[in-house]
Amino acid sequence: AQSVTQLGSHVSVSEGALVLLRCNYSSSVPPYLFWYVQYPNQGLQLLLKYTTGATLVKGINGFEAEFKKSETSFHLTKPSAHMSDAAEYFCAVSEPQAAGNKLTFGGGTRVLVKP
Amino acid sequence: GAGVSQSPSNKVTEKGKDVELRCDPISGHTALYWYRQSLGQGLEFLIYFQGNSAPDKSGLPSDRFSAERTGGSVSTLTIQRTQQEDSAVYLCASSLSRQGGNEQFFGPGTRLTVL
Repeated sequence: AQSVTQLGSHVSVSEGALVLLRCNYSSSVPPYLFWYVQYPNQGLQLLLKYTTGATLVKGINGFEAEFKKSETSFHLTKPSAHMSDAAEYFCAVSEPQAAGNKLTFGGGTRVLVKP
Repeated sequence: GAGVSQSPSNKVTEKGKDVELRCDPISGHTALYWYRQSLGQGLEFLIYFQGNSAPDKSGLPSDRFSAERTGGSVSTLTIQRTQQEDSAVYLCASSLSRQGGNEQFFGPGTRLTVL
């Protein structure tokens, strides 16, 4: 069974500072990996995903993530935080061999951006 | 808009009552998913539909939960004899197909409160 761990349920960063959100997965085979963002009272929006190919993935709003198989990690970064980045971020995985593409989510990390 | 829509946005019910939650997926999306987001359990997969295939019900927490998808489009999630632990946000998502790695587009959710 897959599991996803996000280190830190809350992260506080200053505007303009680096944003780093950690995600580690446990899976028998390398999964497909996703980062979603959720703004208050809204659904989830895909930031980026990794399926195959280049391990450094660029997404929307200046975010990127790198798949590191040896570390079973898919950490999300943004060089310079903006006030609009305040939201909750979820890392998720799905099994390539399994039918259905159902997602297993981490516990989420809420980001607070200080002016 | 062409996004996933859900209704109602909020539902307050009394313990023991039945509730129905509706999801309208993006037109042309053959895969439809239900997830539950609660404080205690985070984001959990409930059920998914793919075309005319039998649904994957492996995430439904009890037999009080059921879902149907009529005509390959609109889906209804039904919770019978609601309990307080059913209080959560119920999220619906759709994707072009169940193929692994496909982006799932999420609706804004239905917030269910069981008194």
